[in-house]
Amino acid sequence: AQKITQTQPGMFVQEKEAVTLDCTYDTSDQSYGLFWYKQPSSGEMIFLIYQGSYDEQNATEGRYSLNFQKARKSANLVISASQLGDSAMYFCAMREGDLTGGGNKLTFGTGTQLKVEL
Amino acid sequence: DAGITQSPRYKITETGRQVTLMCHQTWSHSYMFWYRQDLGHGLRLIYYSAAADITDKGEVPDGYVVSRSKTENFPLTLESATRSQTSVYFCASRGRRLAGSYEQYFGPGTRLTVT
Repeated sequence: AQKITQTQPGMFVQEKEAVTLDCTYDTSDQSYGLFWYKQPSSGEMIFLIYQGSYDEQNATEGRYSLNFQKARKSANLVISASQLGDSAMYFCAMREGDLTGGGNKLTFGTGTQLKVEL
Repeated sequence: DAGITQSPRYKITETGRQVTLMCHQTWSHSYMFWYRQDLGHGLRLIYYSAAADITDKGEVPDGYVVSRSKTENFPLTLESATRSQTSVYFCASRGRRLAGSYEQYFGPGTRLTVT
């Protein structure tokens, strides 16, 4: 089974509107972390936001928020007030277990290509 | 310059040749990682290292060798390159920006083509 599933290969959103990128995960560990990265067309990987499995509140970073629903094993990224510069590939990733050795490994989803239109 | 750098940025090599991709970070991060990115697969972990002289396999290690004699360097070697190893390779190191997040910082990537 896929550990990280991103079911939306491509998404379109109008400028200034909000958009939700879906991510579901599969783990039996109690301690884990979920990350979102942005990859613009230039190719670099940019860290956006993090949610720990024990964090009670949803993470927020500026226009980015992570809608964490633990029971449903989902960690959707919400981008508010989309901008043209948000057009990029977005990856969801997970680390499992504690932060020794293998607990640092990230498993990535296949990504969602977001296009922001005028 | 501070950060994480990779060299070369672009490389074309022939099947069967040995090629080494370099990764250097200036943060003194303990953990370093090598990923490959292919269409339809996202990023997949090849090898990682917890510290100098400590390395371990990731999801797709076959055909690759790593070493880490110094904390700041983590080279990846393709011992005998194959066409299936044509990919974009990312090096990353693990930092700690917020309490508990331990996000990975990525280098700019190396685009490798094996002909």
